Amino acid sequence: QSALTQPASVSGSPGQSITISCTGTSSDVGSYNLVSWYQHHPGKAPKLMIYEVSKWPSGVSNRFSGSKSGNTASLTISGLQAEDEATYYCCSYAGGNTYVFGTGTEVSVL
Amino acid sequence: EVQLVESGGGLVQPGGSLRLSCAASGFSFSNYVMNWVRQAPGKGLEWVSYISISGSTKYYPDSVKGRFTVSRDNAKNSLYLQMNSLRDEDTAVYFCARLSGTYGGGFDIWGQGSMVTVSS
Repeated sequence: QSALTQPASVSGSPGQSITISCTGTSSDVGSYNLVSWYQHHPGKAPKLMIYEVSKWPSGVSNRFSGSKSGNTASLTISGLQAEDEATYYCCSYAGGNTYVFGTGTEVSVL
Repeated sequence: EVQLVESGGGLVQPGGSLRLSCAASGFSFSNYVMNWVRQAPGKGLEWVSYISISGSTKYYPDSVKGRFTVSRDNAKNSLYLQMNSLRDEDTAVYFCARLSGTYGGGFDIWGQGSMVTVSS
């Protein structure tokens, strides 16, 4: 039940693309295609951005995309915008109706 | 409007107890699995509990197992988290979150959170 590993911070200029990694184990990320990503602004409720590794919930911009290879999932934000500044968390199903979140990545738009 | 609203947070001494509530509105609460997630100050999100639609199945991480109990009242559209033997490290904002029935494995609706501070 260790947290998934994410970089502490990632930054980019407006219009650029950035990628956030999320590394787990063969017991969570590597075993299930149930990785989700959340955008979290301080004091607000987290927002679901990606589910089942690479799918978009209704209303979420397709500038956000997800992928997975082995025990590592990734979130890519294309065409970076100022409003994308937030902390992003990955989350994986870990079996037995349990879940594990990532350590969180603070995204800065330069 | 689909909404979750937490309440019941506050200051409690180490070893004490607190009960959080989460009121659901705008959707059929009794059709959804519910969870609690917390965020300690300066830390990331941590999954805290899972409860099935009927309330008969519950799961917890080792960090709270044996101390926290999740429950629900579908007639009242409410979710609860009973927290006992509280420790300093339980200080956090506690969110209730709906497990999506549409977006597999995703928590699609979250409350704004309720702050719990464990301190003497």
